[in-house]
Amino acid sequence: DAGVTQSPTHLIKTRGQQVTLRCSPKSGHDTVSWYQQALGQGPQFIFQYYEEEERQRGNFPDRFSGHQFPNYSSELNVNALLLGDSALYLCASSLAGPRDTQYFGPGTRLTVL
Amino acid sequence: ILNVEQSPQSLHVQEGDSTNFTCSFPSSNFYALHWYRWETAKSPEALFVMTLNGDEKKKGRISATLNTKEGYSYLYIKGSQPEDSATYLCASYNNNDMRFGAGTRLTVKP
Repeated sequence: DAGVTQSPTHLIKTRGQQVTLRCSPKSGHDTVSWYQQALGQGPQFIFQYYEEEERQRGNFPDRFSGHQFPNYSSELNVNALLLGDSALYLCASSLAGPRDTQYFGPGTRLTVL
Repeated sequence: ILNVEQSPQSLHVQEGDSTNFTCSFPSSNFYALHWYRWETAKSPEALFVMTLNGDEKKKGRISATLNTKEGYSYLYIKGSQPEDSATYLCASYNNNDMRFGAGTRLTVKP
């Protein structure tokens, strides 16, 4: 039973570029959440997808957008990259609802130069 | 919106010591409290999800309690082992928003 996978592992971009990060949830999970973790801080909630729709969103600008596919995998897109977008981006999957255990992927380390 | 606070920020203990740390979270519109263990170079691993006031959960040598009225949770580790060294994160779900603390970094010395 595969756990949560994310790609790529590392990514280097320059300011103004666009990036797409990918996540495949744990088998049987239908909900995917994305988090940003800056150095020295806890993960910050970006948004959550369920049934191919954004169900909840944290305090992130519209430059951050996402998508969920029929197989429940998900993408996180960030446009017009800023230096401050450099962070570890974590994906977590669960069975619908905040009372359910979340399973995290290993993360994608994004560096914006 | 109040933040989730964890204390201490870091902790160094000897093998065999028992230890505990705190997670403070907003008590209003509370829905669930999550604890995670995060070892370096690995994915965060779920330990507990707690929802009811007075709830106590246990997993091996690790246990947690929850007070939703005053907004705090304690995580206890009995007889710490070097393999317990990790960052322990808590996250509170309030008002359709999941907020993480910055974590407690535990180092257990052999």
